[in-house]
Amino acid sequence: GNSVTQMEGPVTLSEEAFLTINCTYTATGYPSLFWYVQYPGEGLQLLLKATKADDKGSNKGFEATYRKETTSFHLEKGSVQVSDSAVYFCALSDLSGGGADGLTFGKGTHLIIQP
Amino acid sequence: EAGVAQSPRYKIIEKRQSVAFWCNPISGHATLYWYQQILGQGPKLLIQFQNNGVVDDSQLPKDRFSAERLKGVDSTLKIQPAKLEDSAVYLCASSLVPRYEQYFGPGTRLTVT
Repeated sequence: GNSVTQMEGPVTLSEEAFLTINCTYTATGYPSLFWYVQYPGEGLQLLLKATKADDKGSNKGFEATYRKETTSFHLEKGSVQVSDSAVYFCALSDLSGGGADGLTFGKGTHLIIQP
Repeated sequence: EAGVAQSPRYKIIEKRQSVAFWCNPISGHATLYWYQQILGQGPKLLIQFQNNGVVDDSQLPKDRFSAERLKGVDSTLKIQPAKLEDSAVYLCASSLVPRYEQYFGPGTRLTVT
């Protein structure tokens, strides 16, 4: 079956530090890959996505590249801000099952940015 | 544009009681999903609807959970009877059609005592 593994948190960084959150996946088909973010007190929001190998998703200074050879989709940001403090979820959607495209999520990584 | 609405936001029940959650998706969204998020874990898909038909319910514990979307708009998820391990946040999401972005509601936090 499908699964997503992401680094455990919490991850604590200082403002302006470089961020990497690792994510690897296992899928039977040809998945699309996503990063979702949950800010304190808010619902899940899509941060970025990539639908095929070598695609790079980007949004709000965050980037992730779909690496089929390493089955990875690591999230990066060059300079984090306090406002980036949130829980980040890596997820995949396997579109090989007809119209079924429910997301498979990792456990989430709690990111804490200190001023 | 209004987002995905869910109610109630919080619910506390005793084990063996029943409970129902309601979801109203974004207007015009044909696809609706229910996820269960246990504390410290990522959301897990319970069921996916396309209009009023079920696309995927392979992870729904059908002995106690049921869901419907009778008119292809809003949806209800029911648990009967509840167990302690059902304590979780129940998230509803919708998308225009499958393979489009899923928009999540605020969730219903269920505590079973």
